[in-house]
Amino acid sequence: EIVMTQSPATLSMSPGEGVTLSCGTSESVGTNLAWYQQKPGQAPRLLISTASVRAAGLPARISGSGFGTEFALTISSLQSEDFAVYYCQQYQEWPYTFGQGTKLEIK
Amino acid sequence: EVQLLESGGALVQPGGSLRLSCAASGFSFSNYAMTWVRQVPGKGLEWVAEISATGYSLYYADSVKGRFTISRDNSDNTLHLQMNSLRVEDTAIYYCAKEFGGVALNYFDYWGQGTLVTVSS
Repeated sequence: EIVMTQSPATLSMSPGEGVTLSCGTSESVGTNLAWYQQKPGQAPRLLISTASVRAAGLPARISGSGFGTEFALTISSLQSEDFAVYYCQQYQEWPYTFGQGTKLEIK
Repeated sequence: EVQLLESGGALVQPGGSLRLSCAASGFSFSNYAMTWVRQVPGKGLEWVAEISATGYSLYYADSVKGRFTISRDNSDNTLHLQMNSLRVEDTAIYYCAKEFGGVALNYFDYWGQGTLVTVSS
């Protein structure tokens, strides 16, 4: 199976700062990669599909990039609602696999 | 508005069975593949099973293969997960999710709120 590696596990940031979360895959997934956001007590929410396509209504300050085995989720200016856990997921092949998550917390 | 509402979660003993359901609304259910994803509270996400729009193609994680069965009723807009021979390690919140397309290998564009399954003696 394709192993997903997210780094770092936790990021402590201040509102207004910019941040980049990383996701690596053990083999190429092309652009078959999605990013999800999860807040405490809530279900995951799709943010990015096909490595860089924003979900409907997603603010432009959140963007995705990458191809092959290296991917990134960038938030240009953190807002209070951005503090959450972020997961990447590959849908190149079965089994679908997720990264272990990056927790973005307020410094 | 897409809505997915899971039900059926409960406390069950090891070796027991449980059937989860997911009632879908707000989209043409029969046109989309559906999936189950689980999450141990406080931990990460694990994909469990997927069913194509027609119901003819089924896929399972190795951890549940032979014990869980995914199915759907397109006349009733409902997704099911039959869980047999439950183990302590199956304890998790189970989410149903809508896939972007009708055939397999898609991302998950809408998720339900989840139902908690606890396997314990």
